[in-house]
Amino acid sequence: QTVVTQEPSFSVSPGGTVTLTCGLSSGSVSTTNYPTWYQQTPGQAPRTLIYITDTRSSGVPDRFSGSILGNKAALTITGAQADDESDYYCALYMGSGVWVFGGGTKLTVL
Amino acid sequence: QLQLQESGPGLVKPSETLSLICTVSGGSISNNYYHWDWIRQPPGKGLEWIGSIYYSGSTYYNPSLKSRVTISVDTSRNQFSLNLNSVTAADTAVYYCARYTKVAAAYNFDYWGQGTLVTVSS
Repeated sequence: QTVVTQEPSFSVSPGGTVTLTCGLSSGSVSTTNYPTWYQQTPGQAPRTLIYITDTRSSGVPDRFSGSILGNKAALTITGAQADDESDYYCALYMGSGVWVFGGGTKLTVL
Repeated sequence: QLQLQESGPGLVKPSETLSLICTVSGGSISNNYYHWDWIRQPPGKGLEWIGSIYYSGSTYYNPSLKSRVTISVDTSRNQFSLNLNSVTAADTAVYYCARYTKVAAAYNFDYWGQGTLVTVSS
């Protein structure tokens, strides 16, 4: 069974830059996986940050950007702010109508 | 503004069937640009996609849950539903319904319900 891998946790200083990644247990992530990034704060439903690899969802600040880095999808936050402290999930399309979420990255801003 | 609202029992006994309904308001469920999904999140853990349905009734399921899951749609009520049978404690989770959009190639789950906690316990 395909596993989508993410760093369990990451820490960034306010104003700093951090890159979170999203990989596959077997193979490389490509644009055909339509990498999507979601942000979730405690007690809330996730909200879309980035879809189809690098397109920001409406209202998402431009300090969030998406890309493919090597064989993984990546979410970069440039100029991190305190309210970016959240859980971040990637989702990949595996074909045949099937989506798989990564285990999530807990981002701390301190 | 589109809204999704989950409803159903918050407590289910082991080996029984978990049944939830998602009511969609502020828009029609009958649109080929969307499909309607269930996603769950065990307490303190990550998200797991369960499956999806088009208004036509076509379904797609997580292979690891496929043998136990049925998703159906009622276009007359603008609702879709989830049945998960033979539940165990491992099925305890917050269950979200969500809309997946293909409009303008913006492939993502763009609207979510608030989520409902279902606990499996005797």
